[in-house]
Amino acid sequence: EAGVVQSPRYKIIEKKQPVAFWCNPISGHNTLYWYRQNLGQGPELLIRYENEEAVDDSQLPKDRFSAERLKGVDSTLKIQPAELGDSAVYLCASRAGAGGAGTQYFGPGTRLTVL
Amino acid sequence: KQEVTQIPAALSVPEGENLVLNCSFTDSAIYNLQWFRQDPGKGLTSLLLIQSSQREQTSGRLNASLDKSSGRSTLYIAASQPGDSATYLCAVRDNDMRFGAGTRLTVKP
Repeated sequence: EAGVVQSPRYKIIEKKQPVAFWCNPISGHNTLYWYRQNLGQGPELLIRYENEEAVDDSQLPKDRFSAERLKGVDSTLKIQPAELGDSAVYLCASRAGAGGAGTQYFGPGTRLTVL
Repeated sequence: KQEVTQIPAALSVPEGENLVLNCSFTDSAIYNLQWFRQDPGKGLTSLLLIQSSQREQTSGRLNASLDKSSGRSTLYIAASQPGDSATYLCAVRDNDMRFGAGTRLTVKP
């Protein structure tokens, strides 16, 4: 079974440029997460989807970040414009079903460097 | 707001030692607690998931315990090996999943 797929794995951009990350969750997983992980820290949730609905986006900086999950499968996270402080690893995770139980499976992440 | 703390931040041990990693959390109203491993430049790999009604889980040389009332969990690694070197993260799930900052483990041959 394929795991969570993310692309690109690495991205280097100049500040004020736009950037987009893509995630393909494990087949059949209803719940999809985007996290940001700063160096030396644990991941922090940005947004959670149940199917195509964003059920928790309270931590997403909506002035510059946006996300979508069309058809409840793949998801895209966008930053426009990027700032120096956005440099981090962006992780996508998925989980079967809804509610509180179950293991989250993580992708390898996209390492973003903003110059 | 749930706060998750991991101690120590870094740990270096000789091969073969048994070791314990600690995780504490401030709000005991959780669904579960999960331990992950993260290798440099990689994503997170789930090691053990303990439901709120459980006290411990075991997988091979790993044993994780949960004391929800005191807000603590430990990850015990027996007979450590150089391949165990990685960052170990604990995460608690309430409405969302909240992570600690991790313990960076180095096992020296």
